[in-house]
Amino acid sequence: DAGVTQSPTHLIKTRGQHVTLRCSPISGHKSVSWYQQVLGQGPQFIFQYYEKEERGRGNFPDRFSARQFPNYSSELNVNALLLGDSALYLCASSRRQGAGEKLFFGSGTQLSVL
Amino acid sequence: ILNVEQSPQSLHVQEGDSTNFTCSFPSSNFYALHWYRWETAKSPEALFVMTLNGDEKKKGRISATLNTKEGYSYLYIKGSQPEDSATYLCAFVNSGNTPLVFGKGTRLSVIA
Repeated sequence: DAGVTQSPTHLIKTRGQHVTLRCSPISGHKSVSWYQQVLGQGPQFIFQYYEKEERGRGNFPDRFSARQFPNYSSELNVNALLLGDSALYLCASSRRQGAGEKLFFGSGTQLSVL
Repeated sequence: ILNVEQSPQSLHVQEGDSTNFTCSFPSSNFYALHWYRWETAKSPEALFVMTLNGDEKKKGRISATLNTKEGYSYLYIKGSQPEDSATYLCAFVNSGNTPLVFGKGTRLSVIA
């Protein structure tokens, strides 16, 4: 079975632009979470979606939004990019919602904002 | 704001040495503690999910213990190998529907 896939792997944008990151979960997984990882820090929770509904949102501004599609894939959108949005964005899937579920991570999208 | 601390920040050991590192988390309202291994240029990989005080889990040469009353978990690696070189992340959860809070990780380098 394919693992969690994320696209693109790398992205360079300029301040003020908009970006869309994509994630395909493992087949059969209905929960997708997004994390932001800045060098030297642990991954920070951005969103969780389960069965196409938002089930959790981290402490990120409204410029960040996400959605989950009927096939359980997900998009993370960031508007009006700032230099501080430069980070590795990780997507993780699990079979069900719930903190006792192991997360399966993708390799991430490295976003650089210039 | 939940605080998850991992120590040490980085560690260098010789091949064959055994090693351990610590994850500290709030001791109130515990739900689960996760450990992940993150090798360079790869995806984080789940090692253990622990939910009960006194839990001990083992996967090959890697094992973990959990003390929820005092708020810590230890990860042990027996007979470290170069392929064990990675960042080891722990993540704490305080209820079933809240997100994981990750520590900054312990970066392990095993020297052949």
